[in-house]
Amino acid sequence: DTAVSQTPKYLVTQMGNDKSIKCEQNLGHDTMYWYKQDSKKFLKIMFSYNNKELIINETVPNRFSPKSPDKAHLNLHINSLELGDSAVYFCASSQVFRSGYTFGSGTRLTVV
Amino acid sequence: GESVGLHLPTLSVQEGDNSIINCAYSNSASDYFIWYKQESGKGPQFIIDIRSNMDKRQGQRVTVLLNKTVKHLSLQIAATQPGDSAVYFCAETATYSGAGSYQLTFGKGTKLSVIP
Repeated sequence: DTAVSQTPKYLVTQMGNDKSIKCEQNLGHDTMYWYKQDSKKFLKIMFSYNNKELIINETVPNRFSPKSPDKAHLNLHINSLELGDSAVYFCASSQVFRSGYTFGSGTRLTVV
Repeated sequence: GESVGLHLPTLSVQEGDNSIINCAYSNSASDYFIWYKQESGKGPQFIIDIRSNMDKRQGQRVTVLLNKTVKHLSLQIAATQPGDSAVYFCAETATYSGAGSYQLTFGKGTKLSVIP
């Protein structure tokens, strides 16, 4: 049983395209997150949703739009992809305050 | 802005030796810290956490030490094994941004290589 699952695992696309990454958690957690990991392994938060409500929205281009249809899903849609969007994107979830995150296995996005 | 950082970007240890990975943080308001392990091609995995009202916490083969005076965090791995090879991150939080949600700030990561 995968606790936090992301699809696809790899995504190669051309500049200017629109793509989506899906995330689902079966842990019953109330909060879900998107993190971006760059080529130097630095992890930076992008968004946080709690019970389908946007809580954190860091300085992220508005080409990135998260969507949470229910508290078990948090998808990331990216419009007009740019070369600099190439990175690994991680979805994570947490339950109660300060209990640690559970991460998905990541989606490696390559924009060519 | 305030950040969490690491002293050593890479660490090589002999199998069976103890490993120590260090982390410095600058936000004095941070009160909860977590160590994560990230293996190649996988997401970060929770190892151990510690709250600011403690200075030491032990798990299975791992110990986290917190020195709030100098804002320093360390992860000790006893009898390091090849399976411990990974990138290790410290993360901290002092912000409670809403009901059930909090923001973890991650350090830069240290790559641990275990020599058989």
